[in-house]
Amino acid sequence: KQEVTQIPAALSVPEGENLVLNCSFTDSAIYNLQWFRQDPGKGLTSLLLIQSSQREQTSGRLNASLDKSSGRSTLYIAASQPGDSATYLCAVWTYALNFGKGTSLLVTP
Amino acid sequence: EAQVTQNPRYLITVTGKKLTVTCSQNMNHEYMSWYRQDPGLGLRQIYYSMNVEVTDKGDVPEGYKVSRKEKRNFPLILESPSPNQTSLYFCASSLAGGELFFGEGSRLTVL
Repeated sequence: KQEVTQIPAALSVPEGENLVLNCSFTDSAIYNLQWFRQDPGKGLTSLLLIQSSQREQTSGRLNASLDKSSGRSTLYIAASQPGDSATYLCAVWTYALNFGKGTSLLVTP
Repeated sequence: EAQVTQNPRYLITVTGKKLTVTCSQNMNHEYMSWYRQDPGLGLRQIYYSMNVEVTDKGDVPEGYKVSRKEKRNFPLILESPSPNQTSLYFCASSLAGGELFFGEGSRLTVL
C-alpha cells in the first residue's frame, strides 16, 4: 500500500521567507502527484499537478518538484505572505489515490 | 463553471435516521470518490468509482453505501448513521489519473 508522509506537520515562519514543504511516498510507480491547499473548514483547492513524466511545475510563487526514484516531492513557496497560511496536502496516484496528512503553515506578519 | 457540488453543506441528524449526501460534477469525469476528514486522521477514502456502475471500497467503507447510476452523480448514503460518523465529508472527481477537483464539503453531525 502506498504510504504518503508530509514533513513537517506544522511550520511557522515570518512573512517574506522562502520555504519548502516535503512529501515522500513509498511506491515510485505513480501516475501523478498533486499539491492542494486547504483553509480551515473549507474544501481542498488544487495548486499544482505533476505528471509522472515531469520533474516540476510552477504557478506564480509556487514551484513543485518531483523525484520519483527517491519517492519525494517538494513544494517551494517564495516570499511567503500571511495569506499563504493554510494546510498543504499532497496526494499521489498509483493504483489508488493516497493523501498525506498535510503540513499546517502559519505565516506571521 | 467547472465544479463539484455537494448537498447539504451542513446537517445535524440523529442516530439511525437514514440520510443521503449528494455529489454532482459537470466536468464529465469518470472518477469520483468520497472522503471523510477527521482531526489528526487526515483524509480517508470511503468509496470511489472509476465509471458508471463501477464502485469500490476505500479505506473506511463500513456504514456507508454509494451508487453510480449516472456519470455526473455519486451520492453517499448512510443507512443508519451513528455518532462516530460525525465528520467533514468531501466528494471529488477527476479524469482517470488526472487533476482532482473537490467539493466544498459537507459537515455532518450525528447526535
